[in-house]
Amino acid sequence: KNEVEQSPQNLTAQEGEFITINCSYSVGISALHWLQQHPGGGIVSLFMLSSGKKKHGRLIATINIQEKHSSLHITASHPRDSAVYICAVGGNQFYFGTGTSLTVIP
Amino acid sequence: NAGVMQNPRHLVRRRGQEARLRCSPMKGHSHVYWYRQLPEEGLKFMVYLQKENIIDESGMPKERFSAEFPKEGPSILRIQQVVRGDSAAYFCASSPRVGENSPLHFGNGTRLTVT
Repeated sequence: KNEVEQSPQNLTAQEGEFITINCSYSVGISALHWLQQHPGGGIVSLFMLSSGKKKHGRLIATINIQEKHSSLHITASHPRDSAVYICAVGGNQFYFGTGTSLTVIP
Repeated sequence: NAGVMQNPRHLVRRRGQEARLRCSPMKGHSHVYWYRQLPEEGLKFMVYLQKENIIDESGMPKERFSAEFPKEGPSILRIQQVVRGDSAAYFCASSPRVGENSPLHFGNGTRLTVT
């Protein structure tokens, strides 16, 4: 069993839709990161969470430490949001989910 | 303030050659992490270094792979006698500290192809 499980693996949405990506983990953590990776591109850290909720523009991330679960929400999705979204948890050593490939269709 | 710089961006090596991947962390960051992303797989932790020290190398293959982060200069991930299975994207990340509120900044990766 992987330390970090993400769902769904693949997601296709119409422009404007509300999107949720989920992450469950089984290890103890000091922080959880949501990362974005474009095809052939680098990795950008969108959020770092240790509790509660954070919001940047159309992106919202929440974490429930007791349930070991985090969600990434994208409101009013846009084609430029198309990317792979990766959940990473840990402290010294990070464990990564396999990513959610999001495609937003105009 | 430049981000995490990795070079080269692409590296092609023949089987048996050595590959050297460089990572310059963000200014003021003394913690460096190396990750590997195999084709069609997720990122896997390899090694965590602070200046002149390897803190955690539990993700490094036991042979052929080594990493360093000297007092001066970039962190280096070295792969000796490369094999086709080493073909992957290698990402470096840096952080100013560890703990709950430590941000993690990634480089653009080095894509290694072994022919």
